[in-house]
Amino acid sequence: AQSVAQPEDQVNVAEGNPLTVKCTYSVSGNPYLFWYVQYPNRGLQFLLKYITGDNLVKGSYGFEAEFNKSQTSFHLKKPSALVSDSALYFCAVRDTYSSASKIIFGSGTRLSIRP
Amino acid sequence: SQTIHQWPATLVQPVGSPLSLECTVEGTSNPNLYWYRQAAGRGLQLLFYSVGIGQISSEVPQNLSASRPQDRQFILSSKKLLLSDSGFYLCAWSSGGSGAQPQHFGDGTRLSIL
Repeated sequence: AQSVAQPEDQVNVAEGNPLTVKCTYSVSGNPYLFWYVQYPNRGLQFLLKYITGDNLVKGSYGFEAEFNKSQTSFHLKKPSALVSDSALYFCAVRDTYSSASKIIFGSGTRLSIRP
Repeated sequence: SQTIHQWPATLVQPVGSPLSLECTVEGTSNPNLYWYRQAAGRGLQLLFYSVGIGQISSEVPQNLSASRPQDRQFILSSKKLLLSDSGFYLCAWSSGGSGAQPQHFGDGTRLSIL
């Protein structure tokens, strides 16, 4: 069975500081990992994914994520936060051994950037 | 480029009334299609997914049904709405195949049941 956990409901960061949004996962096979962002009253927007290869993945809006197989983690990071980064962030996982049609989303982390 | 359209954006319906939400995708063929419900701006609950015309998988038994009458059209329906059906409904698509491709979401329908 596959699962994903976002241990923090909310993360608060000052503008200009680095940010990290945590994600851990559990799969039977190898993971496909994704990060999405959701702004109020909008759908989810895809930020980045890890399939294979380099553990550091770069995505949209200056975000990056680091895949750590030993810790089964895929934390989202940004070196310098912007107020406009304030939104709801979702980590998601698909197990390569499971149905290609199903992806599991975390419960979401609300990121708040203060000016 | 591919686009996904959902309508209406907001809907207010009385308890016991029927429901039909429509989702269409453009610029791709044979996509996987999904319906999710999101409660209170938090986690997503997968309701239905489809890998082809007429092929619907239901994840959670409930008051809703889905249909895929055409390759790029996905419809969410109910014969009689309940108060608990209120929520933010999101449609999404992904390319078929290995599952390495992300899902792409519409802007959702906010459904309020009175």
